[in-house]
Amino acid sequence: DAKTTQPNSMESNEEEPVHLPCNHSTISGTDYIHWYRQLPSQGPEYVIHGLTSNVNNRMASLAIAEDRKSSTLILHRATLRDAAVYYCILVSGGTSYGKLTFGQGTILTVHP
Amino acid sequence: GAGVSQSPSNKVTEKGKDVELRCDPISGHTALYWYRQSLGQGLEFLIYFQGNSAPDKSGLPSDRFSAERTGGSVSTLTIQRTQQEDSAVYLCASSFRTGDNYGYTFGSGTRLTVV
Repeated sequence: DAKTTQPNSMESNEEEPVHLPCNHSTISGTDYIHWYRQLPSQGPEYVIHGLTSNVNNRMASLAIAEDRKSSTLILHRATLRDAAVYYCILVSGGTSYGKLTFGQGTILTVHP
Repeated sequence: GAGVSQSPSNKVTEKGKDVELRCDPISGHTALYWYRQSLGQGLEFLIYFQGNSAPDKSGLPSDRFSAERTGGSVSTLTIQRTQQEDSAVYLCASSFRTGDNYGYTFGSGTRLTVV
């Protein structure tokens, strides 16, 4: 699987937007960009995924660069419950099955 | 079910004993994955099922680990002759199909402690 690079940690204040970056310069044309988060003592939770176009759902937005070499997860108004480890993962498309390969992720701290 | 269910949620076992961990995926999800997470570490892939077949067992750390899936639904991960280094949280995930364009749903995990 192609590799992703994320900052080790980020901090935000409650009710402010958070932009979590991810670099994936070796992404292939059929790789999907997935984001998951893991709250303390819980299993990972799906957040959002996309291929080429920006995506929005109830949890977050995903902004994908035009060359697809980077992406940004946007939390529009951070809450204390958003404090978690956020993982950006490339998932092979096409005929390859979609095994998730987790890196170290970004630890997001949200201050009240 | 509404989510991925794993049982037991906690298991303490003596070194050398065998343990079985169970995963009930979301109904209709054909893809099922096992991961484990040691304390303070990232997630480590163990095995993947598509239906009842396991095309990728490459993550199983030793021949003491095995897994099966029956009826395209429930999966069991078995660890024989447990060792202390097997202590970890074992997580199961399922997806509607092989997952490139589908999100994965994880269970809450089984915390295994080998004493």
